[in-house]
Amino acid sequence: SAVISQKPSRDICQRGTSLTIQCQVDSQVTMMFWYRQQPGQSLTLIATANQGSEATYESGFVIDKFPISRPNLTFSTLTVSNMSPEDSSIYLCSVTTEGGMNTEAFFGQGTRLTVV
Amino acid sequence: LAKTTQPISMDSYEGQEVNITCSHNNIATNDYITWYQQFPSQGPRFIIQGYKTKVTNEVASLFIPADRKSSTLSLPRVSLSDTAVYYCLVGDIPGGGNKLTFGTGTQLKVEL
Repeated sequence: SAVISQKPSRDICQRGTSLTIQCQVDSQVTMMFWYRQQPGQSLTLIATANQGSEATYESGFVIDKFPISRPNLTFSTLTVSNMSPEDSSIYLCSVTTEGGMNTEAFFGQGTRLTVV
Repeated sequence: LAKTTQPISMDSYEGQEVNITCSHNNIATNDYITWYQQFPSQGPRFIIQGYKTKVTNEVASLFIPADRKSSTLSLPRVSLSDTAVYYCLVGDIPGGGNKLTFGTGTQLKVEL
């Protein structure tokens, strides 16, 4: 299993500013994943963060807008840059681990971002 | 990754059994079926995972027919606290590193 701590849990930000979200895992993991969940919608993968290399971004997401750091095997940050109201969403980090017969994904509580 | 189709919403009453069916017609040989539950203001939580036939744990059962083109999550005797969104995911699972593709999910509402 894995316990994920995400900070901040919520924030209200002015448009044009940036917010950095932190994700701390209680065990070492190879890959960490960042998702976005817009109001009333499902989760969409933003990028996969590997330690020691650049993050891999999904279609529609770019590094300039969502820079990611992965300095070690238990920590990652996602920055939402030059924010606009359309960036108002919940941002979640996730890791997957093998637990017995299953491979499970574990998620942080999420960061609820409101851009005004 | 195989696409999944599930009902947008379902309603039930406390004490009833709830069955949520997911269609995944183009499931691949190596794909597993996994269900997650998400409460408001929380990240999704793993419920159950299977490859074929039937899997049961302390929370739910997962029924998978022989052709594996669909699966049914069964929640016995639901309570108000089971009100949540349930996601069906299908994909290959390499060791400890798969990324997940979430569909629309099913909003289950349980009432008294």
